[in-house]
Amino acid sequence: GESVGLHLPTLSVQEGDNSIINCAYSNSASDYFIWYKQESGKGPQFIIDIRSNMDKRQGQRVTVLLNKTVKHLSLQIAATQPGDSAVYFCAETSRNRGNKLTFGGGTRVLVKP
Amino acid sequence: GAVVSQHPSRVICKSGTSVKIECRSLDFQATTMFWYRQFPKQSLMLMATSNEGSKATYEQGVEKDKFLINHASLTLSTLTVTSAHPEDSSFYICSARDLWGVSPLHFGNGTRLTVT
Repeated sequence: GESVGLHLPTLSVQEGDNSIINCAYSNSASDYFIWYKQESGKGPQFIIDIRSNMDKRQGQRVTVLLNKTVKHLSLQIAATQPGDSAVYFCAETSRNRGNKLTFGGGTRVLVKP
Repeated sequence: GAVVSQHPSRVICKSGTSVKIECRSLDFQATTMFWYRQFPKQSLMLMATSNEGSKATYEQGVEKDKFLINHASLTLSTLTVTSAHPEDSSFYICSARDLWGVSPLHFGNGTRLTVT
């Protein structure tokens, strides 16, 4: 069935280092992917998105990589800061599912000073 | 940017009572809004899709008579948890997308429901 999953539930990273969060998805029809950041007690906050016709997209300190061959998505955060500590979710959808997102299980990122 | 507002942010109610949660798109119109439920340390699970002017569509396993959804305007959707029980205690989050569907889904800050 459709699912989006993560490899690492918790990631500890030293402040200033780069972080990489991975996500696997199973629906080969998925064509739109989003990374969200969720801080405690808050709703998900959009970070970056990518469509299936791309394999890389960069934002401010963040890069999303998409490998459709192996159905893998990653989020790279450059120079991780204490404010980056949060839970990160990948989510996917496809045209035939409208705007209904399927979320991955989430990865907690802990930034050590 | 697009802002989605939820109210209340926290609510405590007694078992058997009903609770209404509002979701508003503040600076854009949304024909479709989504309601999610999130248990502690878990991911978001889609409960239902709220469509302006028509009935909501519910995900499998979600009781439509227990979670009443009304989407009366392009900027407001409400979720009513009827006859709440302690197992309904959760974090409820709504999201919305603009009419043109070109922007990513924007989420509200959630409502923490505690049923005693």
